[in-house]
Formats: sequence, structure tokens, C-alpha cells
Amino acid sequence: GEDVEQSLFLSVREGDSSVINCTYTDSSSTYLYWYKQEPGAGLQLLTYIFSNMDMKQDQRLTVLLNKKDKHLSLRIADTQTGDSAIYFCAETRNQGGKLIFGQGTELSVKP
Amino acid sequence: GAVVSQHPSRVICKSGTSVKIECRSLDFQATTMFWYRQFPKQSLMLMATSNEGSKATYEQGVEKDKFLINHASLTLSTLTVTSAHPEDSSFYICSAGAGGAADTQYFGPGTRLTVL
Repeated sequence: GEDVEQSLFLSVREGDSSVINCTYTDSSSTYLYWYKQEPGAGLQLLTYIFSNMDMKQDQRLTVLLNKKDKHLSLRIADTQTGDSAIYFCAETRNQGGKLIFGQGTELSVKP
Repeated sequence: GAVVSQHPSRVICKSGTSVKIECRSLDFQATTMFWYRQFPKQSLMLMATSNEGSKATYEQGVEKDKFLINHASLTLSTLTVTSAHPEDSSFYICSAGAGGAADTQYFGPGTRLTVL
């Protein structure tokens, strides 16, 4: 079946790195995504990675994919208070297909 | 680029009335739009997939007569909650597929529906 899991909470201090983890069960996943949701708002696409890639870096964001273990992580360098939000990982098996979301990880950044 | 809007952002209605929510892709054409429902502190639940010019595909357990979806153009999809009841109160979010690399979905800001 399709299942995406994340830990529910993460708390870090401003300036530290944050690492948000995600595991998935569908080995046929093609794309994996990270979305950010601030309170009362929709989802903002942060980054995505294709399943044949191991790593993708975009400014402060680094995505690591371990396809063998079906493990995805999002690292945020120099975490700021503005990064406080809920982060969702999601996967899809085909282009334009439905997204399967994790439960979301609430990131709290303390000054 | 890839901006999706929703209207209204917040609506309060009486039980038994119908509410229409609009989802628009502002700077791209979206052949596919998706409607999600999100309960407080929970993940997004896909309700239906909407393709321009054809009937929507509903997920299991979602009543198609209750949640009417129309995708009349490449930039507009609407969700109508018919005969709304308090249990329909939720945050409704749409997304639109922009095509291209990864065929990512871009999300609207959401609509908070409260049924009294």
C-alpha cells in the first residue's frame, strides 16, 4: 500500500540546522516533494527530487534520498524563525498523478 | 510564476446552504486540478481529481453528489459543497498541475469553510 510517514514535531534553535525525515513504502515512487505550510495558508512547494537522484541542494535546503531504505530528508541550514511551519513530504508514482502526503512535521524555531 | 488563487478565503454559512469555492491558475494553464480537504493538525486528504472538460474522479468515500466539481476551463475549477452541514466545516485546498519538470502541483491558499 501507499504510506508516507514523518515525525510530528521538531524544535531547534535559531542558527542551527534542521533535519526533517520522511519514510515511504512505495518503491515505484518517481518524484518526492517537500512542501511548507504556514498557519492558515496553502502549501508552498520548496523542492522536489526525482527518484534516480541521491541529493539535491537549493540554497539553504538540501534533500537527501536513500532509495534503498525509502528514506527522504530535508535539511535546512541556518534555520530562522521564519522557517517555523509545518513541512510535508509527498510522493507520486506518475506525472500528474495524485500526491500521497505524510502527516506533516511541525518545525518550531526558538530564538 | 505558477500562482494559484482561491476564492473566497473564508466563508461562514448556515446549515443546508450550498457554497461554491473557486480555484484559478493565474499564470499558467492547468489541465488537471486537485481538491483536498485538511482537518486541523492533520495532513491533506485528496477528494477528487479534476480534468478540464471531463468529469472529476473522486476518491473512495467522497460523495460526488455532495461535492460537485466543475473544471470548465484550463484556468478555473470550482468545488460546490451542497447542502452543507457542520461536519463539512474544514479547510479546502486546491492545487493545479503546471506540467514541465516533475509535473509539480502548485497549491492555492485554501478556503476555510465554517458551517453553523
